[in-house]
Formats: sequence, C-alpha cells, structure tokens
Amino acid sequence: SELTQDPAVSVALGQTVKITCQGDSLRTFYAAWYQQKAGQAPINLIYGVNNRPSGISARFSGSSSGTTASLTITGVQAEDEADYYCHSRDSSGTLGVFGGGTRLTVL
Amino acid sequence: QVQLQQWGAGQLRPSETLSLTCAVYGKSYSSDYWSWIRQSPGKGLEWIGEISRSRSTNRDTNYNPSLKSRVSISADASRNQFSLRLSSVTAADTAVYYCARIRTGGYFYYIDVWGKGTTVTVSS
Repeated sequence: SELTQDPAVSVALGQTVKITCQGDSLRTFYAAWYQQKAGQAPINLIYGVNNRPSGISARFSGSSSGTTASLTITGVQAEDEADYYCHSRDSSGTLGVFGGGTRLTVL
Repeated sequence: QVQLQQWGAGQLRPSETLSLTCAVYGKSYSSDYWSWIRQSPGKGLEWIGEISRSRSTNRDTNYNPSLKSRVSISADASRNQFSLRLSSVTAADTAVYYCARIRTGGYFYYIDVWGKGTTVTVSS
C-alpha cells in the first residue's frame, strides 16, 4: 500500500490518541479518514485535512504535515474502539489507495 | 441525503464473473466518482476502481493495477446506476464488496457515502 499506518494502537479510556498515515501522495492530496466497526460499512470521519461531516463528533480532528496525515481522537470513549483507515489518491494522482488500517483498542 | 443501494449475486464458482450494481439516490455532482471497494475476511479495505460521473470526461475509469486485467466498471447515467464486473473469480476474490461515492475537487478526494456491502463468496 502507498499509504502506511500502524497496524494497532491502544489508548486508555478518556485519553487522547493520534493515528498516523504516511505516504508521498499526501504532499499533494488531502487524506480522508474512516471508522469501521465490526460488521459495518465504514463511515467518513474527516476529509480535506480537518473537515468533519455532519454528525461526526468534534472529538475527531485531522491534521497534516508533509507526507504524514494524522487523526486525533480526544477524550477517547469505549465506542471509539474500531478500525481506522486513511484514504487518498496515489502518487500518480490517478488511482485511489487506502492505508492498511489501524485497529484502536480502548483500555 | 444521498443513498446507495447495491445488489448482485453472492455465491459464485471459480472462473465465473462477479456482477454487482449500485443505484444512487439523491443529488450528484459532475465532479463525483462512483467507486467499488472490497474487504476480504479479516483484511483491510482495497480500492477496486472508479468511474467518473461526468460525461465530459468520457466516463473516465481508473482501476487497481492488480485487478485491471479482470475488472470493468460501467455507468448508466439515465438510471443513476453503476456496475462492477470481475471476471475469472477465484477464492481470493471472496470479500465484502462496497459501492461508494467519491467526492473530488482540487486536492480533495474522499468517500462521503457507502453502500451497505454485498458479501461475495467464491467456492466450488
């Protein structure tokens, strides 16, 4: 995959966690972030660096620097335990690509 | 509120052709792409390909290089539907297949609406 994510991250309840996504195409294209819970379709959390669709909690925020995009979850709740994927164009700008996903465990 | 409704055969034998269709309900934009994504059991999301909604781009299509020789995505603008065909399937194509709308513009590229997913199992 042209977008690289840590496979797993854990965080204590109520704390803040940052999930990162690294790829050369992120110098040009914004990353989007999705949350997927078991047995469900993904939902969009963040697009265009730090835009949240209607209905998404303000606890989710995005940022970007160089080739790395980040998703930050503040005040983590038990319901945030899920898989998180980044998504963008590839380096050629013509194909789509997903990161490998990060499984978030809430302790 | 845009919604996507997808359907197609869920059980296939090796060498058959997978065929799925997705209907788009609600407002669309000329800059949208309609896309297919799949997820094999226990694995991450895999981008299969996309087709431009805009006639001005001649229904531009882009495919995952690893599937390009077997995949075709087409669109019927009059019905606001798009379809996926994947030929010569094997057990490795067993997955949940999602249709999705991709919003684009400048450096934006993101999925704002997903279909519910269709489980496709390839087995003899």
